[in-house]
Amino acid sequence: ELKVEQNPLFLSMQEGKNYTIYCNYSTTSDRLYWYRQDPGKSLESLFVLLSNGAVKQEGRLMASLDTKARLSTLHITAAVHDLSATYFCAVDVGSSNTGKLIFGQGTTLQVKP
Amino acid sequence: NAGVMQNPRHLVRRRGQEARLRCSPMKGHSHVYWYRQLPEEGLKFMVYLQKENIIDESGMPKERFSAEFPKEGPSILRIQQVVRGDSAAYFCASSPGTGGQPQHFGDGTRLSIL
Repeated sequence: ELKVEQNPLFLSMQEGKNYTIYCNYSTTSDRLYWYRQDPGKSLESLFVLLSNGAVKQEGRLMASLDTKARLSTLHITAAVHDLSATYFCAVDVGSSNTGKLIFGQGTTLQVKP
Repeated sequence: NAGVMQNPRHLVRRRGQEARLRCSPMKGHSHVYWYRQLPEEGLKFMVYLQKENIIDESGMPKERFSAEFPKEGPSILRIQQVVRGDSAAYFCASSPGTGGQPQHFGDGTRLSIL
């Protein structure tokens, strides 16, 4: 069974601290996506990682992909309250990369002042 | 340029009724995906369509659920004879192709079954 597992599932942290969210997956894929979801809202695309060793950064967030280890990380630097949300990783498992995404369970991040 | 448009935003149905969820992809996008999200869970893939074609329906329940993306008009996800377990948020996403572009999501339809 194809699995995408995130940890932790819940993360409470102080403003200014650093932390990393991990996304492990069980199948071969070189396309991984990170999304953000605010409560009751839709999903916002954060990063697209398309090859082994890919690293993308936007503001306080940085994502990386290791296809050999089947692992992606989302690193948060100096967290601020505005980053509070649920973060999902998703792996493209469709044949010929048809866009069928398998999502992780999500990591709910709570940043406290 | 409007994003992915879903309607209705909220839909209430009684058990046994039919639910129709609509999705208009972003302009220029020909690939449509439907996902279901249960409370406190991630999204589960249901179906992938292009115009007039179902490409991958491996995530669709075998009965009561169907999807279409006609030549003209929005994509429709149809649930017949709804049951309580169908209560969820249904998200539609679209992309211009499969070349690694991210899928853009609509705001979802929250379906509640009484």
